[in-house]
Amino acid sequence: AQTVTQSQPEMSVQEAETVTLSCTYDTSESDYYLFWYKQPPSRQMILVIRQEAYKQQNATENRFSVNFQKAAKSFSLKISDSQLGDAAMYFCAYRSAKKWNDKLVFGAGTILRVKS
Amino acid sequence: EAGVTQFPSHSVIEKGQTVTLRCDPISGHDNLYWYRRVMGKEIKFLLHFVKESKQDESGMPNNRFLAERTGGTYSTLKVQPAELEDSGVYFCASSPRAAASYNEQFFGPGTRLTVL
Repeated sequence: AQTVTQSQPEMSVQEAETVTLSCTYDTSESDYYLFWYKQPPSRQMILVIRQEAYKQQNATENRFSVNFQKAAKSFSLKISDSQLGDAAMYFCAYRSAKKWNDKLVFGAGTILRVKS
Repeated sequence: EAGVTQFPSHSVIEKGQTVTLRCDPISGHDNLYWYRRVMGKEIKFLLHFVKESKQDESGMPNNRFLAERTGGTYSTLKVQPAELEDSGVYFCASSPRAAASYNEQFFGPGTRLTVL
């Protein structure tokens, strides 16, 4: 079974600075997807960024980028120029690429606090 | 377009009582998922509907949990009788087409269940 580990329960960053959230995972599959989801306080969880395992290039979405190390099974999220609106719980998640096996496997989450 | 909605947002019940949670997916989405986050731990998969059929119910904890999706539209998750360890946040998600190679899952705001 796949597992996802987020070793940082909480992180803090100064506004406009850069922060990196860590995520490691374990799987025997070679084809899969990895995700970072953001859940602001009392709001819905939204997808921040997605990475396909077969792609070597790291995904980027504006200020959000990932460092995907397939051999090390590591998938960290870098947030550049942090803003107050980035404060949220961030979840790392894994999904098999197999058809009909699209349940998400989540880590425990990292609370990100942004200081002004 | 309306997102995934869940009702109620919060439910407080006594041990031994019954509670029914409801999820309305995005209109036209074939896939509907239930997840649960207990006591600050990982979000765990419960089950997956494709239209009205249960595709995967491997995450359902025991037979006190019953999920239905009549007519392939909204879904209900009934807990009967509720136990203390059932407390947590229950998330619903939906995604568009069945059997697609990749479907983004869109999450609802969750129902916080407290069993006293």
